[in-house]
Amino acid sequence: DAGVIQSPRHEVTEMGQEVTLRCKPISGHNSLFWYRQTMMRGLELLIYFNNNVPIDDSGMPEDRFSAKMPNASFSTLKIQPSEPRDSAVYFCASSYTPGTGTTYEQYFGPGTRLTVT
Amino acid sequence: AQKVTQAQTEISVVEKEDVTLDCVYETRDTTYYLFWYKQPPSGELVFLIRRNSFDEQNEISGRYSWNFQKSTSSFNFTITASQVVDSAVYFCALSENRDDKIIFGKGTRLHILP
Repeated sequence: DAGVIQSPRHEVTEMGQEVTLRCKPISGHNSLFWYRQTMMRGLELLIYFNNNVPIDDSGMPEDRFSAKMPNASFSTLKIQPSEPRDSAVYFCASSYTPGTGTTYEQYFGPGTRLTVT
Repeated sequence: AQKVTQAQTEISVVEKEDVTLDCVYETRDTTYYLFWYKQPPSGELVFLIRRNSFDEQNEISGRYSWNFQKSTSSFNFTITASQVVDSAVYFCALSENRDDKIIFGKGTRLHILP
């Protein structure tokens, strides 16, 4: 079975450029999460969607960051304009949320390593 | 307040030794879920276990075992007869009943020395 798919795996860009990260969740999962991991801050939740609707975006650092989930099988995280401090590994994760209050485990993609110079 | 505390930042043990990774959590919910994840040097995050707050039975899976104690708000992870391939960062995490978010601890970096 295919896991969570992320692209690109590596991205190097110059400050000021737009960056778009992509994620395909596991089929049948209805919750999708975007995380950022750095040495200084650890693993931070940026935003999560349930049934394609953004539920909590309180972790999004600032207006330069935006995320969309146009359908159940695709999500994007966009940074515009990018800055060197955005350099990090960005993970997408998905899970099945039955809506009964039960929380199931999240499965993570391989991550996108972003370097902004 | 930090909700998941992994006090051990880094641990080194010699291969074949047993090692326990500590995890202390904080929540006011009576229903919650605890998780452990492994992040090997290759970088991916691998799910290991999920436990709900009503199930205090200890779990064993091969060389891995987990000790859940509500009285001390702890969910510790033990690797028996450690192997070099166990070298990784291990994250303990908590999900409260109010939403689907998982709150991760800072992680413990485990080095298994040959």
